[in-house]
Amino acid sequence: EVQLLESGGGLIQPGGSLRLSCAASGFTFSSFAMSWVRQAPGKGLEWVSGIGARGISTYYAGSVKGRFTISRDNSKSTLYLQMNSLRADDRAVYYCARDPSRTGDGPFDRWGQGTVLTVSS
Amino acid sequence: DTQMTQSPSSLSAAVGDRVTITCRASQSISNYLHWYQQKPGRAPKLLIYAASSLQSGVPSRFSGSGSGTHFTLTISSLQPEDFATYYCQQSYTAPRTFGQGTKVEIK
Repeated sequence: EVQLLESGGGLIQPGGSLRLSCAASGFTFSSFAMSWVRQAPGKGLEWVSGIGARGISTYYAGSVKGRFTISRDNSKSTLYLQMNSLRADDRAVYYCARDPSRTGDGPFDRWGQGTVLTVSS
Repeated sequence: DTQMTQSPSSLSAAVGDRVTITCRASQSISNYLHWYQQKPGRAPKLLIYAASSLQSGVPSRFSGSGSGTHFTLTISSLQPEDFATYYCQQSYTAPRTFGQGTKVEIK
């Protein structure tokens, strides 16, 4: 069974840093592109960042470019999102999502349950 | 960035109704358009990929059509479990972008 399990969310002060993880199981992780998608309270879905299957190609939304870094460890079947210079408007549920293409131009066919990030002093 | 605009933002419908949601892209995205369903407190679920392909396990009352800049999601006969918010998303250009969502409520 395909599973994506996010962790690492929590309460952080503005300007702080945090790293989210997404542990994958039930499929060959290294064959799939992956993305992070977030949802602020009461708002719609916002794609944050994506990474190709081999981890070479990375993509970012303008709202996080220069502050967030996506990476993956295919040997551990784990996706990461390093978040720096956090702001109040980064507060959201963060989902990791699987993309069945290798290059990241496919749909998101599996999602994790999400991890909650709160940015507040 | 490619802007995705859904209409309507919300709608009220009865069980058994035919429901159509529209998604327009600000530039041509070929058929790189996908539809998701999200229920409160839950992760989104893929319904339709590549504009018109039904994801495995999704009921056949869901269908998608369109290409270029104009796309539609149709629910042929609305069921109680279909009351949710629906999002379109394009994967033709970076950054990937979602529509603002369409909330389908019970009439």
